Amino acid sequence: DTGVSQNPRHKITKRGQNVTFRCDPISEHNRLYWYRQTLGQGPEFLTYFQNEAQLEKSRLLSDRFSAERPKGSFSTLEIQRTEQGDSAMYLCASSLAQGLSYEQYFGPGTRLTVT
Amino acid sequence: SQKIEQNSEALNIQEGKTATLTCNYTNYSPAYLQWYRQDPGRGPVFLLLIRENEKEKRKERLKVTFDTTLKQSLFHITASQPADSATYLCALGGRVTGGGNKLTFGTGTQLKVEL
Repeated sequence: DTGVSQNPRHKITKRGQNVTFRCDPISEHNRLYWYRQTLGQGPEFLTYFQNEAQLEKSRLLSDRFSAERPKGSFSTLEIQRTEQGDSAMYLCASSLAQGLSYEQYFGPGTRLTVT
Repeated sequence: SQKIEQNSEALNIQEGKTATLTCNYTNYSPAYLQWYRQDPGRGPVFLLLIRENEKEKRKERLKVTFDTTLKQSLFHITASQPADSATYLCALGGRVTGGGNKLTFGTGTQLKVEL
């Protein structure tokens, strides 16, 4: 098991362009989370999936953001019409919803820079 | 609204001493609290979880306390080493809308252990 992986690791895009990030969770984990982190802040929750169902989205999440987890395995996060304020580290995490196990395993993140 | 506060200033200590980090929260009744370590450019790494009915938890050189009356957690690293230098994040979970164990993070405290 290689842990949670994210691609790309870095993305530079021009304002107004669309970007898509991919997350591959730990294989047996059924929950997958997306967070966003800006410099000097802790990760901020965006959305989460249990298997293929998206069960919660942050109220702060713009409708330019959409996430999918089509077969309950990998997930994609798309940002349409990017804005400079979208520049951040986008973190994916996975966990196993079983018993009292609540720890989340994070990937290395995708750093987005919008110019 | 929910608020989680961690020492905003960096904590510098000498090798071998005990580092104590603080996490205070308001407008929240978490079912559990977690501590994560984050190195620059990397995703957070889970360290410890403590539940609302637990007062203290230990793991090797780490100790966490949880006081739900004071709404505070203390995180201790004993016999600190330069390799412990990192940012430490406090995260609260449980009893939020939608469940799913999403985490609400503090801003983190940067710890530097000097020789």
